[in-house]
Amino acid sequence: QSALTQPRSVSGSPGQSVTISCTGTSSDVGSHSYVSWYQRHPGKAPKLMIYDVTKRPSGVPDRFSGSKSGNTASLTISGLQAEDEADYYCCSNAGRKVVFGGGTKLTVL
Amino acid sequence: EVQLLESGGGLVQPGGSLRLSCAASGFTFSNYAMSWVRQAPGKGLEWVSFSSNSGGITQFADSVKGRFAISRDNSQNTLYLQMNSLRVEDTAVYYCAKDLAAAGLRAFDIWGQGTMVIVSS
Repeated sequence: QSALTQPRSVSGSPGQSVTISCTGTSSDVGSHSYVSWYQRHPGKAPKLMIYDVTKRPSGVPDRFSGSKSGNTASLTISGLQAEDEADYYCCSNAGRKVVFGGGTKLTVL
Repeated sequence: EVQLLESGGGLVQPGGSLRLSCAASGFTFSNYAMSWVRQAPGKGLEWVSFSSNSGGITQFADSVKGRFAISRDNSQNTLYLQMNSLRVEDTAVYYCAKDLAAAGLRAFDIWGQGTMVIVSS
């Protein structure tokens, strides 16, 4: 069982918005600003999409946004595109370690 | 081009040892913390170990503490993971990942392609 809880799957049609939740505890998501999100296409290395809860690395479209409330972080993808179909993982600093979510499969219908 | 290239994976019997290497290029290796992250077949990502930029601070997941050791050679731009007393449950693709920060455990902005470790008799 992963330390952070994510829905196993979400789906949306092109152009729509989807939100992926990531629930942790007061020891990780709730008390740290180092929450990040990764996109993973099959057979490829993970790609950093969001860091420090809300920041986007250079090159990541502004359709991707992050937020946090209490022990739950969220990744919102607006204006869904076919290439957004992938697995998404949240990640949080938890003091002297890092914890990941179990991953969410995003299907673009 | 910023790149991480892992090597050293393979098939090993339970109780055996293996050393993974991660060669970095395209950035100032000694300025950044590094981590190892693994993914077992059909499972999600699991953080394994961290080294600060100097190598002076290291951390381990509870699942590998006491069995794995992390080290780095900043003169050779290389990160290592020494894995001892390997168990079947250590079977996974192992990735090295560059941290955004020197002190580390912030976020991983560069990942290698991974090296497969299979622990089986």
